[in-house]
Amino acid sequence: NAGVTQTPKFRVLKTGQSMTLLCAQDMNHEYMYWYRQDPGMGLRLIHYSVGEGTTAKGEVPDGYNVSRLKKQNFLLGLESAAPSQTSVYFCASSYSGGGNTEAFFGQGTRLTVV
Amino acid sequence: KNQVEQSPQSLIILEGKNCTLQCNYTVSPFSNLRWYKQDTGRGPVSLTIMTFSENTKSNGRYTATLDADTKQSSLHITASQLSDSASYICVVRATGTYKYIFGTGTRLKVLA
Repeated sequence: NAGVTQTPKFRVLKTGQSMTLLCAQDMNHEYMYWYRQDPGMGLRLIHYSVGEGTTAKGEVPDGYNVSRLKKQNFLLGLESAAPSQTSVYFCASSYSGGGNTEAFFGQGTRLTVV
Repeated sequence: KNQVEQSPQSLIILEGKNCTLQCNYTVSPFSNLRWYKQDTGRGPVSLTIMTFSENTKSNGRYTATLDADTKQSSLHITASQLSDSASYICVVRATGTYKYIFGTGTRLKVLA
């Protein structure tokens, strides 16, 4: 049981390039989330999904797009990368959005935009 | 503004000693509070989840307490081990939203 798997683990992009981060979960979870973690700040929600085919904006959605075509996958896209998007990105999933539902996190993707 | 503040920012203790980490929040209305452990280069892993009606919850050597009246929580680690070296993150959820407010974490270093 792999849990939540993120691909790739590391990536260096040049300003203006595009890329897609993949998150895959094998726990049949309905809810999936993308966060970014920056030094001195708590994790911030970028986008989330409450089920296959749905997406919604989080706290810091600008510059990112997402898609949830399959229940097990949640993709985060950067169309034109900027240095401000240098961060560690975490994907998480949970069975439901209920208050006490536990969220499981992936191992993170460290992205550097130069 | 909903906020979660943790203290201290960092802490160094000797193996076998106990320690307590603090979390103060202003999130309202409050749904639940979680403590996560994040090892370097890894994603956060849940330690405890508490609702407003719970005062304490344990997970092995980790014990979390919650005072919903004063909006304070603490995480007590007993008989620390080298493997406890990590960042500990307090997370608070507001009622009726999917939004979790993350603290910036306390970085704990346990020395042999």
